[in-house]
Amino acid sequence: EAGVAQSPRYKIIEKRQSVAFWCNPISGHATLYWYQQILGQGPKLLIQFQNNGVVDDSQLPKDRFSAERLKGVDSTLKIQPAKLEDSAVYLCASSSEIRRVGNEQFFGPGTRLTVL
Amino acid sequence: AQKVTQAQTEISVVEKEDVTLDCVYETRDTTYYLFWYKQPPSGELVFLIRRNSFDEQNEISGRYSWNFQKSTSSFNFTITASQVVDSAVYFCALSEAIGYTGGFKTIFGAGTRLFVKA
Repeated sequence: EAGVAQSPRYKIIEKRQSVAFWCNPISGHATLYWYQQILGQGPKLLIQFQNNGVVDDSQLPKDRFSAERLKGVDSTLKIQPAKLEDSAVYLCASSSEIRRVGNEQFFGPGTRLTVL
Repeated sequence: AQKVTQAQTEISVVEKEDVTLDCVYETRDTTYYLFWYKQPPSGELVFLIRRNSFDEQNEISGRYSWNFQKSTSSFNFTITASQVVDSAVYFCALSEAIGYTGGFKTIFGAGTRLFVKA
C-alpha cells in the first residue's frame, strides 16, 4: 500500500512570495490533515478535511493560508504572501473514517519550507 | 482545553538501558484517545500506539510498554533494552471530539528527543 505522498520535499522562497504544497493521501482515506511543525516543536494542526469538506480550520491563518481538497482526494496548501515565521516543515497526514476520533494518522515525509 | 506536556526535552541513554518517556495531558472530555508517535531523523511520523480513555489496561509489545493512569492524567512510554535505532523524537498526542460535528481534534506535545548511544 502506498503511503502519503507530498511534494516538493524542500522549498526555499523569499518573504512575500507565494508557495504551494501538494499532498496525496493513502487511497480510500477520508480524512486529511495539514500540520505545521516548527523546529523543536510538535506538529500543530492547520486544517482538517473530511472528504472534501472542512472539519476544523480554527488554527489556519486565513489571511495568508488557504487549502483545498477537490474531489475528496488530494489536497493543496498555499501560503500567499509568505512571512519569515512560516519557515517550518509542513506535514500532511491521512486517516480512515473508521472509529473517527481514535484513528491513527499516517504521515507523509513533509515539505521543509525556508523563507528568507 | 486540551493540553499535552512532555517535560523531558532530551534524554540520552546508553544502548541496552531502559528509558521512560513521560506524557501528561489535560482534557475536559471523558472520551478521548491518547497516542504515541515516533519521528526518526527521516522526518516521517510513525504511529506506535493508541489508547482510549476507557482502557487503562497497560500493555507490553516487544521492547515497548505503556502505562496509562487516568488518576494522574499520564500516559508514559517505556523502551526496554534500548537500541541505537530507537534514536528519534517521540510525540505524545491527545485526540478528542469537536462538539457534535463528528470531527475531532488532535494536539501533539512538544516531543522528547531520545539519543541512544552505542
